Amino acid sequence: DTGVSQNPRHKITKRGQNVTFRCDPISEHNRLYWYRQTLGQGPEFLTYFQNEAQLEKSRLLSDRFSAERPKGSFSTLEIQRTEQGDSAMYLCASSLFQDTDTQYFGPGTRLTVL
Amino acid sequence: GDSVTQMEGPVTLSEEAFLTINCTYTATGYPSLFWYVQYPGEGLQLLLKATKADDKGSNKGFEATYRKETTSFHLEKGSVQVSDSAVYFCALSPRGNYQLIWGAGTKLIIKP
Repeated sequence: DTGVSQNPRHKITKRGQNVTFRCDPISEHNRLYWYRQTLGQGPEFLTYFQNEAQLEKSRLLSDRFSAERPKGSFSTLEIQRTEQGDSAMYLCASSLFQDTDTQYFGPGTRLTVL
Repeated sequence: GDSVTQMEGPVTLSEEAFLTINCTYTATGYPSLFWYVQYPGEGLQLLLKATKADDKGSNKGFEATYRKETTSFHLEKGSVQVSDSAVYFCALSPRGNYQLIWGAGTKLIIKP
């Protein structure tokens, strides 16, 4: 069990640029979640997948955000035309369908938009 | 809507002191309750959980009891160590839901 991995760990970009983050969940986990965490706050739910299907999106996820999970394995989160307010830690978690109470988190990708 | 409120930090204690971090929640129905810990430079880790009223979750010397009558899930440890220094998050998962709803976190600093 290698745990949930995320890449890159840090990303610095200029306002207006597009960025893409990757999450590799625990291999047998069929649910995958994205959260955003700003400094001094708890994570906020963004979206989740069951296998390859994106089943829910938070209203926090504006049209500039898109997430995919092709083939139900790894997932990508893309932010287009980044804004300074997008600066945050982006967290990925995974779980088994039978035990959604127990989510395993990756180390996160810290995004800084200049 | 559902929410979680934690005591503000930082909480600073001496080694071997008794720890309590308060957590109260608002939710309809019977949520599952969690404590997660985030050590410096690391990802969130599940510390303990409880899924029904009066359940006690425990791990690594930490305990928390699901109190429905007071809508609380306070985290306790009898004797803290320097290595317990971290940020602790209380969270809930509404019954039948996939989302975790989080408190703001409490930073714990243990001095030798």
